[in-house]
Amino acid sequence: SQTIHQWPATLVQPVGSPLSLECTVEGTSNPNLYWYRQAAGRGLQLLFYSVGIGQISSEVPQNLSASRPQDRQFILSSKKLLLSDSGFYLCAWTSGTDNEQFFGPGTRLTVL
Amino acid sequence: GIQVEQSPPDLILQEGANSTLRCNFSDSVNNLQWFHQNPWGQLINLFYIPSGTKQNGRLSATTVATERYSLLYISSSQTTDSGVYFCAVEPTSGTYKYIFGTGTRLKVLA
Repeated sequence: SQTIHQWPATLVQPVGSPLSLECTVEGTSNPNLYWYRQAAGRGLQLLFYSVGIGQISSEVPQNLSASRPQDRQFILSSKKLLLSDSGFYLCAWTSGTDNEQFFGPGTRLTVL
Repeated sequence: GIQVEQSPPDLILQEGANSTLRCNFSDSVNNLQWFHQNPWGQLINLFYIPSGTKQNGRLSATTVATERYSLLYISSSQTTDSGVYFCAVEPTSGTYKYIFGTGTRLKVLA
């Protein structure tokens, strides 16, 4: 069966520091991968998605970037965090066939 | 782009009551999913339902794609049903991308 991992689970970072969040999927190949952000008490905002290695589509212009160095690995990065980057970051995947989406446990980021 | 609206935004029920949550979308979609976000933030898949009706225990869902809405029914609600319910649609015009609704926050009282 397929599983999706995210780490770290929680992170507290100062303003201006770099960020790297990692997501990996097991039990499938060539998944579509997604990064979402959820502000407190709000809905989910799609940040990036990827249909293959090195292929990244950005949905929201901001100081975040994403990379997909391996088939089942998706990384969210920032060179300098802003206060507004605080939130709950969720990684998701679909098989690319029926496109049912499955989510990881999320990373709760607080920027101070 | 496509708009996805959920109603009601908030709902308080007594344990054992039934409820209906609605998801309206403004354009044609390839896929639609319902999720439950528990108090720890985990998004749990409830239904993958681009059209038709499905049932899973006390929950059922119906999507009428031609009329651009979906309904989630919760019967005999339990306190563990509390949380936020989201619908998410994959627009026909935007393959691979899911757009989430604003959510319905449900609280079930013992």
